[in-house]
Amino acid sequence: EAQVTQNPRYLITVTGKKLTVTCSQNMNHEYMSWYRQDPGLGLRQIYYSMNVEVTDKGDVPEGYKVSRKEKRNFPLILESPSPNQTSLYFCASSPAFGTGGQETQYFGPGTRLLVL
Amino acid sequence: AQTVTQSQPEMSVQEAETVTLSCTYDTSESDYYLFWYKQPPSRQMILVIRQEAYKQQNATENRFSVNFQKAAKSFSLKISDSQLGDAAMYFCAYRSEKNYGGSQGNLIFGKGTKLSVKP
Repeated sequence: EAQVTQNPRYLITVTGKKLTVTCSQNMNHEYMSWYRQDPGLGLRQIYYSMNVEVTDKGDVPEGYKVSRKEKRNFPLILESPSPNQTSLYFCASSPAFGTGGQETQYFGPGTRLLVL
Repeated sequence: AQTVTQSQPEMSVQEAETVTLSCTYDTSESDYYLFWYKQPPSRQMILVIRQEAYKQQNATENRFSVNFQKAAKSFSLKISDSQLGDAAMYFCAYRSEKNYGGSQGNLIFGKGTKLSVKP
């Protein structure tokens, strides 16, 4: 089954304790992205990756890191989490632009993070 | 910068009736895509329908259809024969076809409309 998976689905942590949220897709997509969703703000892009070893900042990158060492994986790293990073996080993927079908992003199930 | 506006924070519809959710957007681009995503209580983001800006014909997917007015920058979603399972948050989203400012592929979302369906 074609899908985007995220782990963990739920996470409670404390301020300053480094954490990683994993994202993996099995559709051989080049493009991957992370979003955060906050009440009243919709979804906002954190980072994206056009392909392996190619990443760039989205609209709200502060406090986050990413890496893309393999095509299927795109982990989101919070080196020193703070309470304002409490949010619902989504990973998404799509084919590269110009390859057909690139316009639609497929979302993972979401990771709910609480930073105390 | 592109923006997406959903002016209805909440909407309600009677089961089996029709409801229209509004979305407007602002862009100077001519090539782009528009989407409606549904987010049920499970929080999963589910693609409902998409529209390519170069297509004049409005997209339809079963009970879901859009009214795409490119000149007015309007993209409303019509849900016909509403069902209890349609109750969810609905997000309108915009995606550029071109790489502007290094954010190619960035989905720009509205703040959402919460739809309730009454039995």
